[in-house]
Amino acid sequence: EAQVTQNPRYLITVTGKKLTVTCSQNMNHEYMSWYRQDPGLGLRQIYYSMNVEVTDKGDVPEGYKVSRKEKRNFPLILESPSPNQTSLYFCASSADGLFYGYTFGSGTRLTVV
Amino acid sequence: DAKTTQPPSMDCAEGRAANLPCNHSTISGNEYVYWYRQIHSQGPQYIIHGLKNNETNEMASLIITEDRKSSTLILPHATLRDTAVYYCIVRVGYSGYALNFGKGTSLLVTP
Repeated sequence: EAQVTQNPRYLITVTGKKLTVTCSQNMNHEYMSWYRQDPGLGLRQIYYSMNVEVTDKGDVPEGYKVSRKEKRNFPLILESPSPNQTSLYFCASSADGLFYGYTFGSGTRLTVV
Repeated sequence: DAKTTQPPSMDCAEGRAANLPCNHSTISGNEYVYWYRQIHSQGPQYIIHGLKNNETNEMASLIITEDRKSSTLILPHATLRDTAVYYCIVRVGYSGYALNFGKGTSLLVTP
């Protein structure tokens, strides 16, 4: 089944403790991106990647890092999480961002205390 | 990307057609109309997209007016599982930039 898999689904962590949210897609898509969703603010893009080793900032990149060493994986790294990064995170991928739209993962609900 | 305007909420009876409007009066010639939906806290789901012709797939139909300033997403036989927030997005098709989801329309399908 074609899908984007995120892990973990739920995570509670403490301020300052580094964490990684993994994202993997099995569709050989070139484009991948990360979004966060907050009440009243909607979905906002954090980072995106157009191919292996090609990444760029989205609208809200502060406090996050990404890497794209392989086509299928696009992990989101929070080196020193803070409570304002408590949010619902989605990873998405697309073959070309044109004809087929984006496939989103099921989400990771992160709480930073 | 062009700005879109959608009603904040709509109701639809189960089994009836749900017609969700979207206004995009500032759309430019190379911008596509995309529709996504999000069922409570799940990942958004791509539904359909089009440039200027009407489009249909297994999920829905997209009707774009001749002047391209507005469009309508049609769910022909709405079910309870179609209750979701529906987002109309207008953007240049080939772009590495973000999808601007806006606030969307919250569709409630009732028995």
